[in-house]
Amino acid sequence: GAGVSQSPRYKVAKRGQDVALRCDPISGHVSLFWYQQALGQGPEFLTYFQNEAQLDKSGLPSDRFFAERPEGSVSTLKIQRTQQEDSAVYLCASSLTQGDSYEQYFGPGTRLTVT
Amino acid sequence: GNSVTQMEGPVTLSEEAFLTINCTYTATGYPSLFWYVQYPGEGLQLLLKATKADDKGSNKGFEATYRKETTSFHLEKGSVQVSDSAVYFCALRKAAGNKLTFGGGTRVLVKP
Repeated sequence: GAGVSQSPRYKVAKRGQDVALRCDPISGHVSLFWYQQALGQGPEFLTYFQNEAQLDKSGLPSDRFFAERPEGSVSTLKIQRTQQEDSAVYLCASSLTQGDSYEQYFGPGTRLTVT
Repeated sequence: GNSVTQMEGPVTLSEEAFLTINCTYTATGYPSLFWYVQYPGEGLQLLLKATKADDKGSNKGFEATYRKETTSFHLEKGSVQVSDSAVYFCALRKAAGNKLTFGGGTRVLVKP
């Protein structure tokens, strides 16, 4: 079946522009996660949704970062007034629900380059 | 806070060699431990996991044992293939938590 998809796969933004990154989770998956992966590093947690509720946003690096999942399915990560340090791969993952038995399935990521 | 430390790469091996990637963690409570793999051009995939002390996770010839006394979860494979060339990430998830905490990744290159 279809996995997690993300769009666009690549995004180049000029410093100061706003960007929106989309995640389509696996159908029926309740939990959705966003991670940021800087070049040569491991992914770092940004935020977590259960259905439409954003239960944890402790990893969002600044108030320029905003995520939503209004209908409990597709999610959008928005970055306002992009800075060079925002350049990274943004990964989305979904799981059937929460807990140890439920694997997180990752999308291919969106590579954001801020020039 | 929680953290994961894994050996830096790249690790370069010949085919059929033995592979070990060290991983140690710091966490309160009893986290679950994971190894994820990222093949060139692909997304992160779960390789194996262990949810309690002394559990052994295994998949595709890879193994890792959850060692609480040494807070380690080292990944091993007895005979690597060229197709095992990838970046490997160790990760933990706190008990009753949801988010994954990853190590920095180890790039493995297997030469024929």
